[in-house]
Amino acid sequence: DQQVKQNSPSLSVQEGRISILNCDYTNSMFDYFLWYKKYPAEGPTFLISISSIKDKNEDGRFTVFLNKSAKHLSLHIVPSQPGDSAVYFCAVIYQGGSEKLVFGKGTKLTVNP
Amino acid sequence: GAGVSQSPSNKVTEKGKDVELRCDPISGHTALYWYRQSLGQGLEFLIYFQGNSAPDKSGLPSDRFSAERTGGSVSTLTIQRTQQEDSAVYLCASSLLAGAGYNEQFFGPGTRLTVL
Repeated sequence: DQQVKQNSPSLSVQEGRISILNCDYTNSMFDYFLWYKKYPAEGPTFLISISSIKDKNEDGRFTVFLNKSAKHLSLHIVPSQPGDSAVYFCAVIYQGGSEKLVFGKGTKLTVNP
Repeated sequence: GAGVSQSPSNKVTEKGKDVELRCDPISGHTALYWYRQSLGQGLEFLIYFQGNSAPDKSGLPSDRFSAERTGGSVSTLTIQRTQQEDSAVYLCASSLLAGAGYNEQFFGPGTRLTVL
């Protein structure tokens, strides 16, 4: 059973508009959430994170929102740029020593010029 | 500085053959992880090393999969008697230290394994 769900396999937006990528999780014990970005033929790269004690974290054009009661987080990209076109993975850290990451299936974002 | 490197970048093999995938982590990173991404799936955890020991092997899908790490550096993932369902991109990641808050995992470019 998937612990991290990204229900939209793809998203297409116009350059300059907002991109909103969504993620749901099942375990209320998760306490650290991350977004990774992946270009084709490259490994994922860390984008932004949020701790469960916060509900918002911002880094430039990227903002992550966490709604703990709904077990939902979202990534907002404003304004979207063509270079943002990539697959975005939501992940949680599995606490307990290893810090292994549990990933969603990803959302492919396409930003059209 | 150099990032995480993996070799080969692509590997095509026949069903039943053994394969070895290599990972060179960032120098000084004590934690090393293997993940794989099958078609249409997210990244799936396989195994975690702290130094040369593997305290978490919970993601290895069968006893055909094994991994080792030597000198606290290079790691090799071995798949014996490969099956078609083993076809995936195998990704290695390393981080400075695990177990002391979040330590960013840096990923290599992956090895694309195709089992015919």
